[in-house]
Amino acid sequence: DTGVSQDPRHKITKRGQNVTFRCDPISEHNRLYWYRQTLGQGPEFLTYFQNEAQLEKSRLLSDRFSAERPKGSFSTLEIQRTEQGDSAMYLCASSLAPSGSGKNIQYFGAGTRLSVL
Amino acid sequence: GQQVMQIPQYQHVQEGEDFTTYCNSSTTLSNIQWYKQRPGGHPVFLIQLVKSGEVKKQKRLTFQFGEAKKNSSLHITATQTTDVGTYFCAGPPQGAQKLVFGQGTRLTINP
Repeated sequence: DTGVSQDPRHKITKRGQNVTFRCDPISEHNRLYWYRQTLGQGPEFLTYFQNEAQLEKSRLLSDRFSAERPKGSFSTLEIQRTEQGDSAMYLCASSLAPSGSGKNIQYFGAGTRLSVL
Repeated sequence: GQQVMQIPQYQHVQEGEDFTTYCNSSTTLSNIQWYKQRPGGHPVFLIQLVKSGEVKKQKRLTFQFGEAKKNSSLHITATQTTDVGTYFCAGPPQGAQKLVFGQGTRLTINP
């Protein structure tokens, strides 16, 4: 299966610690997205890359959050000085742009569930 | 900013009954995408609608995109227990690549 891969699947950390998540997109996809999902809600956009360029960031992405995609392949999302409110599922998605018949269809990974104690 | 609303938030049906969820955007969409998320799972792409008034079918699922490209619906005929999950609609704001998701409709089924 060459879908979107995320690591780790679960992360438990103490408040104030830094955490880093990794996302490997579908291999031929040039766009990569990070979303955050809390219980009972739809995913909320955080940021996206086209190749290695970070083209948009949500205002949800505070200064404690940083994302990179250094070689245009995998991406990392780091949260510094975690807070309890950061507890959520962090989802990565990828898409191919420009696409043929489909317009920017995004395929999601299984997510990293973060619990901040 | 763009808002996407879905109703109902929850729906419980008997197996074999039909189910419909409705999606409304505050702005015109270039396209709309539907995803299904099983309990404990991640969003799985179902379909994309692009044209005004478009109707697409996948077996027992029927998807519609409104004429004004601001609303959409998903109808499931004769639900089965495998249909359990949360159904999300999502669309990109004009000129943007991100998706704005509705809050989803959670479907539960009594076998």
